[in-house]
Amino acid sequence: QSVLTQPPSASGTPGQRVTMSCSGSTSNIGSNTVNWYQQLPGTAPKLLIYSNYQRPSGVPDRFSASKSGTSASLAISGLQSEDEADYYCATWDDGPIVVFGGGTKLTVL
Amino acid sequence: QVQLQQWGAGLLKPSETLSLTCGVYGGFFTGYYWTWIRQSPGKGLEWIGEISHGGRTNYNPSLKSRVSMSVDTSKNQFSLNLISVTAADTAIYYCVRGGGPGGSPGGDHWGQGTQVTVTS
Repeated sequence: QSVLTQPPSASGTPGQRVTMSCSGSTSNIGSNTVNWYQQLPGTAPKLLIYSNYQRPSGVPDRFSASKSGTSASLAISGLQSEDEADYYCATWDDGPIVVFGGGTKLTVL
Repeated sequence: QVQLQQWGAGLLKPSETLSLTCGVYGGFFTGYYWTWIRQSPGKGLEWIGEISHGGRTNYNPSLKSRVSMSVDTSKNQFSLNLISVTAADTAIYYCVRGGGPGGSPGGDHWGQGTQVTVTS
């Protein structure tokens, strides 16, 4: 049972825009910044978004994110087959400790 | 470009000690917190804890009684020890460059991961 709640799956067709959510509480998302990670099969997670909406160098601007209150969301526009992966949100919680969402498996149909 | 490369025993028996080390190449070692995160099918991603270049630690309370971390600044390496392992500790363990308390949650650069299996 993960502290942050993500839908287990999402899907879309090439070119489409998909969004996925990450829900938390006042002690975690409500008080701290959110990172998003992309994990391709058999590889380590890769930082996709940091500080709620910032993209590291090299991440396409097709990826965007936002945070409002105790929830965050990740959007992928112009969906491509290589975007098929697991996506995780992460933030700090009381402790302090880092907590993660259970991940959303994105399928490109 | 900073790279993290990790190594350690991948097969353990119950009650043994898990020991992993991570080397940091191509980037600064000071000024960061060095983190361990594990991933298992049953529990997803779990933050184990972090250690600063100066040795300040912050552990997940759920593992605190069994975890210790250390740094070797002369070699740009940091290590994880987890004592009294059980099957529940079976997971892929990742070393990560983190941002410290209140910094970048989950960090930015990850090692390749080490599969650790605990079985009798």
